[in-house]
Amino acid sequence: GAVVSQHPSWVICKSGTSVKIECRSLDFQATTMFWYRQFPKQSLMLMATSNEGSKATYEQGVEKDKFLINHASLTLSTLTVTSAHPEDSSFYICSAYRNYGYTFGSGTRLTVV
Amino acid sequence: GENVEQHPSTLSVQEGDSAVIKCTYSDSASNYFPWYKQELGKGPQLIIDIRSNVGEKKDQRIAVTLNKTAKHFSLHITETQPEDSAVYFCAASLGIHDMRFGAGTRLTVKP
Repeated sequence: GAVVSQHPSWVICKSGTSVKIECRSLDFQATTMFWYRQFPKQSLMLMATSNEGSKATYEQGVEKDKFLINHASLTLSTLTVTSAHPEDSSFYICSAYRNYGYTFGSGTRLTVV
Repeated sequence: GENVEQHPSTLSVQEGDSAVIKCTYSDSASNYFPWYKQELGKGPQLIIDIRSNVGEKKDQRIAVTLNKTAKHFSLHITETQPEDSAVYFCAASLGIHDMRFGAGTRLTVKP
């Protein structure tokens, strides 16, 4: 079945630094990937839609310059949290669309200290 | 856009009992309704889904029903087991874009 690999699974960084999260579709090509953010005990909130070869589409209220998304190939999308601050600490999850369904990565726990 | 409401927020059942989680959606154009199970610290895993041209779908102990007229769909888990304990999310989608999640239900199955 469709597998989406997300790395790293957790990361701790200092305030002001940038962190890159990778999302790979392992056995299929994903022209569209999605990035979600999840706070403790809350639902998944869509941040942006990543389109291969074009600019990402961001949801209202999500800062484009802070959450940089790159989808340079059909199997890889990256999310870079720039100039991270403690309030950016969260669980970030990617997903890919395939055959009329969605497959999720295992998530990345980001802690900014 | 689509708005999905999910109830209850928490559900506790005894092992062997059934569990039912209900969701409503707002956009009648939504045509895909998946259910996900999320364990602590992990990404959501698809457990069952249903499309708008079907009223019911079953996979072993799990079933989903869809009422398009009323715009609601439900997850049914029978013969619950402790390993069913997790957070369950419903979602509604208009297609490749714009999938929205419910708030989640924390299911606890007591042995």
